[in-house]
Amino acid sequence: AQSVSQHNHHVILSEAASLELGCNYSYGGTVNLFWYVQYPGQHLQLLLKYFSGDPLVKGIKGFEAEFIKSKFSFNLRKPSVQWSDTAEYFCAVNAENQGGKLIFGQGTELSVKP
Amino acid sequence: EAGVTQSPTHLIKTRGQQATLRCSPISGHTSVYWYQQALGLGLQFLLWYDEGEERNRGNFPPRFSGRQFPNYSSELNVNALELEDSALYLCASSQLRGTDTQYFGPGTRLTVL
Repeated sequence: AQSVSQHNHHVILSEAASLELGCNYSYGGTVNLFWYVQYPGQHLQLLLKYFSGDPLVKGIKGFEAEFIKSKFSFNLRKPSVQWSDTAEYFCAVNAENQGGKLIFGQGTELSVKP
Repeated sequence: EAGVTQSPTHLIKTRGQQATLRCSPISGHTSVYWYQQALGLGLQFLLWYDEGEERNRGNFPPRFSGRQFPNYSSELNVNALELEDSALYLCASSQLRGTDTQYFGPGTRLTVL
């Protein structure tokens, strides 16, 4: 069965530190990849997405992610985090034969210390 | 442009009752998806409606059902509520069916006592 794994459950960083959140998926076919963010008290928002083309995609608020097909990975990065990046981050995958289903990772809670 | 809206924000029910949750998609979006975000279980796919038809359902019992109306809004019904149905229920919509980007609403927090 298709699954998504996020490596870290809780990450704590100081402001200006660099961020990398890991995401691996298990599916051999063509996939669409997403990162969503849930800020405290807010709803799930799209950070960035990859459908095809350049494997390095840029999203909102300075985030980027790289799709590495051979590693089934879609890691999220940000060169310098801010206190306002404190949130929960979800990696998600869907595929054509999955009937609209987004498969989510378990989420990574990011805490940024001012 | 208005995003996905859901009502009510909170819903408190007792075991055995029925709950009805509502969702209005982004204007122009025809697909609506429902997810359950339960503590410790993450985000689980429940149902997908497109053009008024149920297109797919996740691994949930039949007491979870819903429908999509001609204006593309949707309703999720949960019958015979159980304590473990307590969760945040999220609705999402997309412009194209299936693999298009899904945009989420704020959710309905269902508490079953």
